[in-house]
Amino acid sequence: EIVLTQSPGTLSLSPGERATLSCRASQSVSSSYLAWYQQKPGQPPRLLLYGASSRATGIPDRFSGSGSGTDFTLTITRLEPEDFAVYYCQQYGSSPAITFGQGTRLEIK
Amino acid sequence: QVQLVESGGGVVQPGRSLRLSCAASGFTFSTYGMHWVRQAPGKGLEWVAIISYDGSNEYYADSVKGRFTISRDNSKSTLYLQMNSLRADDTAVYYCAKDRHPRRSYSPFDYWGQGTLVTVSS
Repeated sequence: EIVLTQSPGTLSLSPGERATLSCRASQSVSSSYLAWYQQKPGQPPRLLLYGASSRATGIPDRFSGSGSGTDFTLTITRLEPEDFAVYYCQQYGSSPAITFGQGTRLEIK
Repeated sequence: QVQLVESGGGVVQPGRSLRLSCAASGFTFSTYGMHWVRQAPGKGLEWVAIISYDGSNEYYADSVKGRFTISRDNSKSTLYLQMNSLRADDTAVYYCAKDRHPRRSYSPFDYWGQGTLVTVSS
């Protein structure tokens, strides 16, 4: 199975700053079948990006994704207070074994 | 609007069984693959199982293979997870989730239920 490693584990930033989250795969992710989710306490995850860089419905354009192969990045420009949450990457290309990264906690500095 | 509502969670002793349900509405259930994903308290997300839109294919994480069975009833727009031989490390919130793309093998999950908590403890 493909192992996804996210870094950093915790990121401390202030509103208005730029956040860069990394997701590295143990082997190449087919056709960039890489997604990013946001999860807030007590809530289910919310799909942000899929296909490495396509925004899901209703996701603001301050969220963007890039990367291919084994290295992927989620960038949030101009952090809003509601962006502080846990972020997970997911690969869904090595079906059927879907895997998630361990998460990056984005906290207010 | 799309809704996924899980039920069936609770406290169960090790070695016993439990069946979870996920009632779907607001979309054509029979055209989408469906998943179960779990999250142990304070931990990350773990994919558990997938069933294809027509129920013809199902796959499992190694951690539950041989103990859990995913199924669906398209006439009732309902997804199930039969969990047998439960262990303490199965304790988690269990979410059902919907494929974003209809009838496709590779898809992210665009809608999730609120989850149901399963606690395995004596």
